[in-house]
Amino acid sequence: QKEVEQDPGPLSVPEGAIVSLNCTYSNSAFQYFMWYRQYSRKGPELLMYTYSSGNKEDGRFTAQVDKSSKYISLFIRDSQPSDSATYLCAMSPNAGGTSYGKLTFGQGTILTVHP
Amino acid sequence: NAGVTQTPKFQVLKTGQSMTLQCAQDMNHNSMYWYRQDPGMGLRLIYYSASEGTTDKGEVPNGYNVSRLNKREFSLRLESAAPSQTSVYFCASSQDRDRGYTFGSGTRLTVV
Repeated sequence: QKEVEQDPGPLSVPEGAIVSLNCTYSNSAFQYFMWYRQYSRKGPELLMYTYSSGNKEDGRFTAQVDKSSKYISLFIRDSQPSDSATYLCAMSPNAGGTSYGKLTFGQGTILTVHP
Repeated sequence: NAGVTQTPKFQVLKTGQSMTLQCAQDMNHNSMYWYRQDPGMGLRLIYYSASEGTTDKGEVPNGYNVSRLNKREFSLRLESAAPSQTSVYFCASSQDRDRGYTFGSGTRLTVV
């Protein structure tokens, strides 16, 4: 069983829809949770970062973490064609005062928003 | 700022050939990483370097070697390429775990 599971999709929605992307994980040591967006033939870019449980909002994007269920979500409101990309969840354990952290990634969900 | 620069962007190798993938970052980050990305497998860590002078194996290190040449540069070497190493390779760097990684644009490698 992989440490991080993510539904690969693909997911296709109409413009303006609310999109929900999800990941589950098995390692209870994970404390830092991130979402990356990857456009076709590009490197991933950091979209959202959260620490521990709760919600974090940034414009049309909301990241949600439920540590009791080992479940994280990314919501996209009023989705746009420019949101079409692969979305990867990533997480890292709390390693104390170290200045580096190995991220474990989900498989990525391919999202297409059509006009 | 250029961020993380990877060269080459594309490469075709024959089985058994060797090559080195280059990566350089200009953000003064301490940590650097090499990942491979395959369909349905996500990003898998090959090697990482927490700081200049140190390197460690990741999830899939077999068939690869790395060199942290200085704080800016982290290279990945395939000594004897195999078709199973056909993939997209990403280099990344980070200063603090909290801020995530900055990725390069990738090297698309095909081994025939």
